Amino acid sequence: GQQLNQSPQSMFIQEGEDVSMNCTSSSIFNTWLWYKQDPGEGPVLLIALYKAGELTSNGRLTAQFGITRKDSFLNISASIPSDVGIYFCAGRRTSGTYKYIFGTGTRLKVLA
Amino acid sequence: DVKVTQSSRYLVKRTGEKVFLECVQDMDHENMFWYRQDPGLGLRLIYFSYDVKMKEKGDIPEGYSVSREKKERFSLILESASTNQTSMYLCASSLWDRGRTDTQYFGPGTRLTVL
Repeated sequence: GQQLNQSPQSMFIQEGEDVSMNCTSSSIFNTWLWYKQDPGEGPVLLIALYKAGELTSNGRLTAQFGITRKDSFLNISASIPSDVGIYFCAGRRTSGTYKYIFGTGTRLKVLA
Repeated sequence: DVKVTQSSRYLVKRTGEKVFLECVQDMDHENMFWYRQDPGLGLRLIYFSYDVKMKEKGDIPEGYSVSREKKERFSLILESASTNQTSMYLCASSLWDRGRTDTQYFGPGTRLTVL
């Protein structure tokens, strides 16, 4: 199945730094979701975006629905050790499908 | 809060066994999904169901079947387990909203090992 292009694939950062990651697609989406997954656990929804240009925050996390509708961005400010995990995006196209397409994931490691 | 639960966190089965993975959601969602997650391959959709007794194949349905007899429960069945079905299995549910505001919520996952 199709996957979204997500970058970076992995990153090591120092505690306190800000983090940015993004997802891009060749298709237009009408919904973008951002998830975090801890090892051995299911993905937990962080932020949902439903409109082009929308900017939504959840604590130190901020996500944006790109105005082209083909990309989305997630920023984490002032990272802490518990931010470690895999972050991935999911998008749903405008064709009315029930199905989501998932990004390949960004593995984040925070160095204390 | 939406709650999606899966019957087992860890499961070990032998090749050829019939395996049932159960998923239950408590939010009256119409849509339910089964994915498998493998390193380097991300999440791949096996089957999904948009209503009771309704199902559609996802991207990798071979070797699997599903059952949705009640709205809150969606079962994944491995008719004859094989070693290449060793994986993390994730169930998800979402509300069908024609206003496009549906969101997928995941269960904690079942890590299945087939020996």
